[in-house]
Amino acid sequence: GEDVEQSLFLSVREGDSSVINCTYTDSSSTYLYWYKQEPGAGLQLLTYIFSNMDMKQDQRLTVLLNKKDKHLSLRIADTQTGDSAIYFCAERLGGYQKVTFGTGTKLQVIP
Amino acid sequence: DTGVSQDPRHKITKRGQNVTFRCDPISEHNRLYWYRQTLGQGPEFLTYFQNEAQLEKSRLLSDRFSAERPKGSFSTLEIQRTEQGDSAMYLCASSPPDNNQPQHFGDGTRLSIL
Repeated sequence: GEDVEQSLFLSVREGDSSVINCTYTDSSSTYLYWYKQEPGAGLQLLTYIFSNMDMKQDQRLTVLLNKKDKHLSLRIADTQTGDSAIYFCAERLGGYQKVTFGTGTKLQVIP
Repeated sequence: DTGVSQDPRHKITKRGQNVTFRCDPISEHNRLYWYRQTLGQGPEFLTYFQNEAQLEKSRLLSDRFSAERPKGSFSTLEIQRTEQGDSAMYLCASSPPDNNQPQHFGDGTRLSIL
């Protein structure tokens, strides 16, 4: 079955890079996502990657996928105070619509 | 593109009452999803519609929960005889016909049971 795990908390200084890590268990996962959630708000899609890719870069965001270790990471370059939020890693199996989310990593950016 | 719209944003009700939430997906998105998120957790899948057909349902969707999408556009989620454990954020998402495209979420309806 699907299970997505993330560390609960990350603290970085403004201007540094942040790396948020995630592990998943189902090797059949086809789509892997990163969502951002600010207090009291819904989920904002940041980026996503197909399982046949190793890396995807989108402005300050870099996603790395290690299929062998079932490890996904999100790197945020030049982290800003506005990046403070909870970041969710999520997976979706091909052929299904259900998305399985991790418990989220709270990113705190210190000015 | 106005995004996924959910109404109301907040709902406070007494235990035992019925509540209904509405979701308007992004126009031209034929797929619509409901998720539930409790405090400190990630969202959990409840159900999925393709057009007006409800195609997937989670075991979390007890018989007190019913979702509809009668015309394949907006959807409603009703909870009957609410319980304390129903307190959560109810999130709606939508996606286009292209199966490779991700789901886009609304801001949710926060339900508080007194």
